[in-house]
Parts: sequence; structure tokens; C-alpha cells
Amino acid sequence: GQNIDQPTEMTATEGAIVQINCTYQTSGFNGLFWYQQHAGEAPTFLSYNVLDGLEEKGRFSSFLSRSKGYSYLLLKELQMKDSASYLCAPEANQAGTALIFGKGTTLSVSS
Amino acid sequence: NAGVTQTPKFRILKIGQSMTLQCTQDMNHNYMYWYRQDPGMGLKLIYYSVGAGITDKGEVPNGYNVSRSTTEDFPLRLELAAPSQTSVYFCATGQGYEQYFGPGTRLTVT
Repeated sequence: GQNIDQPTEMTATEGAIVQINCTYQTSGFNGLFWYQQHAGEAPTFLSYNVLDGLEEKGRFSSFLSRSKGYSYLLLKELQMKDSASYLCAPEANQAGTALIFGKGTTLSVSS
Repeated sequence: NAGVTQTPKFRILKIGQSMTLQCTQDMNHNYMYWYRQDPGMGLKLIYYSVGAGITDKGEVPNGYNVSRSTTEDFPLRLELAAPSQTSVYFCATGQGYEQYFGPGTRLTVT
């Protein structure tokens, strides 16, 4: 079966660092995406991990451990505009490599 | 290069009515997907297509139909709208390591 677990909500202050964890169970795992979704908008791509390890892209980094079924998204130097939902989405080798989405983590950044 | 476009942006339907949600992409991607997102919930796959002429069911296909006559277009059809189909519908395309989402269609069935 498919199962994705990430915290429902997180809060942080401007300039801080926050780590959003995601654990998953999925058959036919290819890789894992992280998407950002602002309220009322479409998801936008942040990162894709297929190999174990850390991928860094500016203020955002994403980590994957395939053996543990675990990933995290690290956001540095938080800004108010980072307030959004963050979606962990494993990619399965089925259904045309469609993504499997959890409910996401709503991050609120305050000043 | 418009990417993925969806029409309409908003629609209110009465129970039992039918409608087609349009999705068009200009990126020449083979893979296309329809997801729905209910409030506070994750996106769920309705239907997908791996190329023109090929479609298949996702996780929640009941009450919907699709067709894929061209690479560019992947319309989603609701035949007998029900309140349970009130949701935001996102079309997406994929090629390689990324999926691109359209802006979404907000549908309310009353």
C-alpha cells in the first residue's frame, strides 16, 4: 500500500531554519518530490531526490534515505513568503509515474 | 510558452449536470494527469495518460471520464455531477524528473 506521513502544521520565525520530515511507504519507489503550494494556488516544484543524500538548491535542501523510507526538506533563512503548504510526494513506478501526495505540512512564518 | 492551461477557473454546477474541464499543454510531454484536491487534503489521482490514445484510471476515477486524442489536450468529463465532486481539480504534465501543474479549476456542485 501507499502511506505518507508528515506533520500537519509547523511554525517558525523569519530568519530561522526549519526541517519538515516525511516518512513514506510505497511500492515501486522511483524517487521523491517536494512541492510548495500557497493557498489557492497550484503546487510548484521544489526538489526531486532519486539517490540517497542531500540535494541543495539555494535556501532549500532536500534529503532522502531510500532504505529508511525517509526524507526531509530544509528551509534556511526563512522569509514570510515561505508560509505555504509543503507536499512530500513519492513517485511510484506505476500509474504512469504519477505522484502520491500526503496531506502536506502547513508552515507559518512570523516576524 | 504557456505551459499547462486549464479552463474554466471556476464553475458552479447543479446536481446531475455535466461538464468538461479542459487541460492543454504546450510542452510536448507524453504524460498527463488529473488530480483533485479537497480542502485540507492531499491531491488524489483521478486519471492519467502516458500518451495520445492511452488513458488509465487512478485512485479515484468514479464519476469521471477522460480522453486523449492529441498530445496537447487531456479533458476531464463529469457526466452526472454530485456534491462529492466539489473540489479543486489540477491537471499536470510530466517528462523526466518534474511534474508541472496547471492553475486549477475550482468546482462547486450544489
